[in-house]
Amino acid sequence: KQEVTQIPAALSVPEGENLVLNCSFTDSAIYNLQWFRQDPGKGLTSLLLIQSSQREQTSGRLNASLDKSSGRSTLYIAASQPGDSATYLCAVYSGGGADGLTFGKGTHLIIQP
Amino acid sequence: DVKVTQSSRYLVKRTGEKVFLECVQDMDHENMFWYRQDPGLGLRLIYFSYDVKMKEKGDIPEGYSVSREKKERFSLILESASTNQTSMYLCASSLRTVANVLTFGAGSRLTVL
Repeated sequence: KQEVTQIPAALSVPEGENLVLNCSFTDSAIYNLQWFRQDPGKGLTSLLLIQSSQREQTSGRLNASLDKSSGRSTLYIAASQPGDSATYLCAVYSGGGADGLTFGKGTHLIIQP
Repeated sequence: DVKVTQSSRYLVKRTGEKVFLECVQDMDHENMFWYRQDPGLGLRLIYFSYDVKMKEKGDIPEGYSVSREKKERFSLILESASTNQTSMYLCASSLRTVANVLTFGAGSRLTVL
């Protein structure tokens, strides 16, 4: 059964820093990986989806990379801003139905002004 | 933009009450999902539907049922609410396959007293 781990569980950095969030998964036979953002008390917002054949995806200040063979993905946030404060979750799709989608528990990010 | 609307943001119910959580999406997505999110446990799949009148159990279906009579609407039903069903409930949808981008609603925070 696929397991997805996000370390650290929480991270606090000063504004302006570039930072990396990590996502690791145990079974490398995946179809894709999604990164989400969740603001307190709200639903999840999809940030980036990387197909298994891709190495990275970029959207604005966000860059997500995927290394299937090592079971890892990183989300790089450039020039962090207080508005980036949120919980970031990754989800891996391993095939089949909805039970093939496995979420990590997220990294709670605080950007200090 | 795809919108997933959850009709109730906050609900307070009594033990034993029947509870309906409604979810509507406006972009003709085939797949709809119900998750619950609890601190330390992450997102857990309750039920999934890939078409009208079709449903599949997720990881934690006990105590819940669902209804999908129309493509745009997916309802989660708690037949007899219990205190351990106090949680954040998240509805999501995706186009054609589970492998596509998930769009989430804003969430429904249910408290059972």
